[in-house]
Amino acid sequence: DAGVIQSPRHEVTEMGQEVTLRCKPISGHDYLFWYRQTMMRGLELLIYFNNNVPIDDSGMPEDRFSAKMPNASFSTLKIQPSEPRDSAVYFCASSPGQGRMGYTFGSGTRLTVV
Amino acid sequence: AQSVTQPDIHITVSEGASLELRCNYSYGATPYLFWYVQSPGQGLQLLLKYFSGDTLVQGIKGFEAEFKRSQSSFNLRKPSVHWSDAAEYFCAVGTNDMRFGAGTRLTVKP
Repeated sequence: DAGVIQSPRHEVTEMGQEVTLRCKPISGHDYLFWYRQTMMRGLELLIYFNNNVPIDDSGMPEDRFSAKMPNASFSTLKIQPSEPRDSAVYFCASSPGQGRMGYTFGSGTRLTVV
Repeated sequence: AQSVTQPDIHITVSEGASLELRCNYSYGATPYLFWYVQSPGQGLQLLLKYFSGDTLVQGIKGFEAEFKRSQSSFNLRKPSVHWSDAAEYFCAVGTNDMRFGAGTRLTVKP
């Protein structure tokens, strides 16, 4: 398996623009997680899905953030409109079961909003 | 609520020396505990995990960790550090809502 695949690796956008981050989890993993990593706040759980259904989105910072998982092999995290304070590295992770075996992380998307 | 504390932001050790990274957790029940490593520009890689059984767990790359319920700790150890171990290390607790510590950056001196 190729692991968790995220795209793009880097994204630079202007304030106010829409940004879409993409994730392909490992086949057979029924849990998918989106995290954000910043120097100030560390790793923050934004949202997670089980069998394509959002279970907990309490970590989503604002209504500007939304996430979808239309099928078992694809998820998106969208920011609209983007702001400079959204600049961070966004990670997608997946796991089989409830994460007791740990998560497999993608390489992340480094987002810069100017 | 579950939480993780890594008291050391940055640690420097000489190559070949032993290493111990500290982790304290707060959790309402028997915790699921993990250590991850992150190299620059990369995602997190699972080193080892604990959720039951033997309190000393072995992981990849020669790392081990010991769960001590009485101290609410899950410290990571390695008997002899290699230059390639330089990275950021994260302790984590939980399952489907895993919470991470702030991380400890390890520098290895030649």
